Amino acid sequence: DTAVSQTPKYLVTQMGNDKSIKCEQNLGHDTMYWYKQDSKKFLKIMFSYNNKELIINETVPNRFSPKSPDKAHLNLHINSLELGDSAVYFCASSLTGTGRRFTDTQYFGPGTRLTVL
Amino acid sequence: KQEVTQIPAALSVPEGENLVLNCSFTDSAIYNLQWFRQDPGKGLTSLLLIQSSQREQTSGRLNASLDKSSGRSTLYIAASQPGDSATYLCAVRPAGSGNTGKLIFGQGTTLQVKP
Repeated sequence: DTAVSQTPKYLVTQMGNDKSIKCEQNLGHDTMYWYKQDSKKFLKIMFSYNNKELIINETVPNRFSPKSPDKAHLNLHINSLELGDSAVYFCASSLTGTGRRFTDTQYFGPGTRLTVL
Repeated sequence: KQEVTQIPAALSVPEGENLVLNCSFTDSAIYNLQWFRQDPGKGLTSLLLIQSSQREQTSGRLNASLDKSSGRSTLYIAASQPGDSATYLCAVRPAGSGNTGKLIFGQGTTLQVKP
């Protein structure tokens, strides 16, 4: 199936731990994103990578570090997890238009529900 | 700073009704506006994308309009069905975001269509 996939779907962990979430897309897109959806369902962009280059970093604590080994993968590593990190994290991808103008729609993964105890 | 607001936050209608969801944004400098659907425990599915030069887009029973100058968009759902029950999210792509893919989302309207 062509899609954006994330692992794991659920992640429950203790405060202070370090965890990673993986994202893969097989849509041939060159741009990938991480979004955070809080308990009030508000969705906010965290990071964006184009061709493995970081192009958006939205005042996210440096405990969050994205890594893009290739255009099809964008992983999110979180150090020293805090209670406030509990949320649903969505990965998305899109295909850029000409001249790096982003005109195409974004395709979202199913989300990873992170619970920090 | 671009802000996106959706009204109402929740809506419950009987099956078969036509309904309108509203989205407003504070800065008219946008590349496009998109409507997404989110089912409980699932990711987002893109429904319609309207470029800044367009006024509306249609897909099946869905019609989205865009009035960029007034900072408003509506999503019209005709002949609603129980399967339409979901949260509908509006998102704008700011023109001033340096040609990135950044989207700014509203908080969504949760729709329940009763059989």
